[in-house]
Amino acid sequence: AQKITQTQPGMFVQEKEAVTLDCTYDTSDQSYGLFWYKQPSSGEMIFLIYQGSYDEQNATEGRYSLNFQKARKSANLVISASQLGDSAMYFCAMRDLYSSASKIIFGSGTRLSIRP
Amino acid sequence: DAGVIQSPRHEVTEMGQEVTLRCKPISGHNSLFWYRQTMMRGLELLIYFNNNVPIDDSGMPEDRFSAKMPNASFSTLKIQPSEPRDSAVYFCASSTEKQGSHEKLFFGSGTQLSVL
Repeated sequence: AQKITQTQPGMFVQEKEAVTLDCTYDTSDQSYGLFWYKQPSSGEMIFLIYQGSYDEQNATEGRYSLNFQKARKSANLVISASQLGDSAMYFCAMRDLYSSASKIIFGSGTRLSIRP
Repeated sequence: DAGVIQSPRHEVTEMGQEVTLRCKPISGHNSLFWYRQTMMRGLELLIYFNNNVPIDDSGMPEDRFSAKMPNASFSTLKIQPSEPRDSAVYFCASSTEKQGSHEKLFFGSGTQLSVL
């Protein structure tokens, strides 16, 4: 069975510093995708970044990058130059890409708070 | 693109009453997911559909919960009878599904359910 683990319930970071949010996963699938979502206090779920298991390069989207270490089964999110607006819950998620219809499971999330 | 539309945004009901949550996925998306979010349990996948067919309902907590997708543009999640422990935010999400594809989920704004 698939499982996503986020071991940091909460983090405090000074504005403009970089921050790494941890995510480890467990799957027996060979082909899978990893996602990160942001949930601000307003409640909506915002897609940030995606990494495929066969992608050779780490994904980047603006200030977001994904530190993908396949052998260690980790997919950490790195936010460079953090901003006050980055304060939110962050969820790591995974789906199997082999099936034509597969579920997406989420980790328990990390609450990130940016200090001015 | 109107996005995923959920209704109602807020629902307050008394224990024992029937509750129906509604979702309209993004046009052209062929997969639909229902999630429940609580502080204690995080984001739980309840059920998901592909091409209007339920694929996996193992996350549905008990027989009081049922979900339908009569057509590609509408889904309901029903709780009958409701209980206080059902209080949560219920999210609907949709995506396109193709084998090997990494389509992300698009989330609705959620329904905040309070059962008194």
